[in-house]
Amino acid sequence: IQLTQSPSSLSASVGDRVTITCRASQDISSSLAWYQQKPGKAPKLLIYAASTLQSGVPSRFSGSGSGTDFTLTISSLQPEDFAVYYCQQLNTPPLFTFGPGTTVDV
Amino acid sequence: EVQLVESGGALVQPGGSLRLSCAASGFTFSSYGMAWVRQAPGKGPDFLSFIGYGGSPTYYADSVKGRFTVSRDNANISVFLHMDSLRVEDTAIYYCARVRTAGGRRFDPWGQGTLVTVSS
Repeated sequence: IQLTQSPSSLSASVGDRVTITCRASQDISSSLAWYQQKPGKAPKLLIYAASTLQSGVPSRFSGSGSGTDFTLTISSLQPEDFAVYYCQQLNTPPLFTFGPGTTVDV
Repeated sequence: EVQLVESGGALVQPGGSLRLSCAASGFTFSSYGMAWVRQAPGKGPDFLSFIGYGGSPTYYADSVKGRFTVSRDNANISVFLHMDSLRVEDTAIYYCARVRTAGGRRFDPWGQGTLVTVSS
């Protein structure tokens, strides 16, 4: 299963609403997770099962979608949200594939 | 606090071998599957391997199948990745992650990573 993300990068300002799309090459039901990665750090889980917010993650992050099309939305971008965002499909072992990433910068 | 700490990364020559370790703490290790993921410089994460909570099943990405072997020691709450026939393209930061399944699979948390450099 291949994952594509769009856009590959975007420029935004504090307070903006940001939407990132992840598309799977075949139906993965709701088996999709979103991660945030900052420079020099490991990826951090934000959303799992397409729309479930990980404990401790701010509510400005939300996820939606099922099947092949998924969206990560940041409702009001904060300074600490500038990072790279990856989707991951976990529907089909043995390959829990990651998307190529979306860079959110100023 | 749930924590994963990788170790064993090093500079190794092409064709060489290396064994990475991941020590877990703060959770019932024997109840969770574990995964290894790597990230080459400037690239996205790449899933490498999974091992079930009891030691099976095991899964491997095609890029490492036959060269890498995942194992675990539940008594010593650690998971390992043995890497043989290393190639320059295996250069990356290697992370271990806990695989959670209740409510939906996800990798959480991740360790801080250990750097493997394959170069002559």
